[in-house]
Amino acid sequence: EVQLVESGGGLVQPGGSLRLSCAASGVTFSSYEMNWVRQAPGKGLEWVSYISSSGSSVYYADSVKGRFSISRDNAMHSLYLQMNSLRVEDTAVYYCAREGGGDSYDYWGQGTLVTVSS
Amino acid sequence: QSVLTQPPSVSAAPGQKVTISCSGRSSNIGNNYVSWYQQLPGTAPKLLIYENNKRPSGIPDRFSGSKSGTSATLGITGLQTGDEADYYCGTWDSSLDAGVFGGGTKLTVL
Repeated sequence: EVQLVESGGGLVQPGGSLRLSCAASGVTFSSYEMNWVRQAPGKGLEWVSYISSSGSSVYYADSVKGRFSISRDNAMHSLYLQMNSLRVEDTAVYYCAREGGGDSYDYWGQGTLVTVSS
Repeated sequence: QSVLTQPPSVSAAPGQKVTISCSGRSSNIGNNYVSWYQQLPGTAPKLLIYENNKRPSGIPDRFSGSKSGTSATLGITGLQTGDEADYYCGTWDSSLDAGVFGGGTKLTVL
């Protein structure tokens, strides 16, 4: 069974940094493209970033471009999101999601909460 | 303001049918596959439909998807109280080079 488990969330001050991790199991991690999707409290889903299976191709939402960096370690079956220059509006539950057929997200983690506040 | 447009809410009685629309443009829905997600309160989203109209293993055939031009529709028949949730459409936008979602639709089963 595919399992994705995020970690690394917490409370951080505006301008601070945080690194999220997503550990995958039950899947050949290196074969799959991965994404980060976030959800602000009481709001809808917002796609954040994509990384190809090899890590050679990445994309970012305009709202995080230049501040966030996605990466992966296929040997460790892990996905990462380095978040710098955090803003109050980055407060959200961050989900890692495996990419399935047709650019869908077929497996999701349980999410990790990031709170940016002074 | 979401790139894809969904109605904020829909409602219907148990046993009835409901449809949820998702409107976009040529750069997203018009030229890419659409997927649909169900999010029950306090849980992570769950994939219901991918590639416009395909259901993952374990998703009942009460859920269906369709696409026409720059719009897509999720249909749910035989509504159950357990279907009360938020529903999101999603796709890739080839102009933005970004994933995009609708704002979400809250389904109430009266």
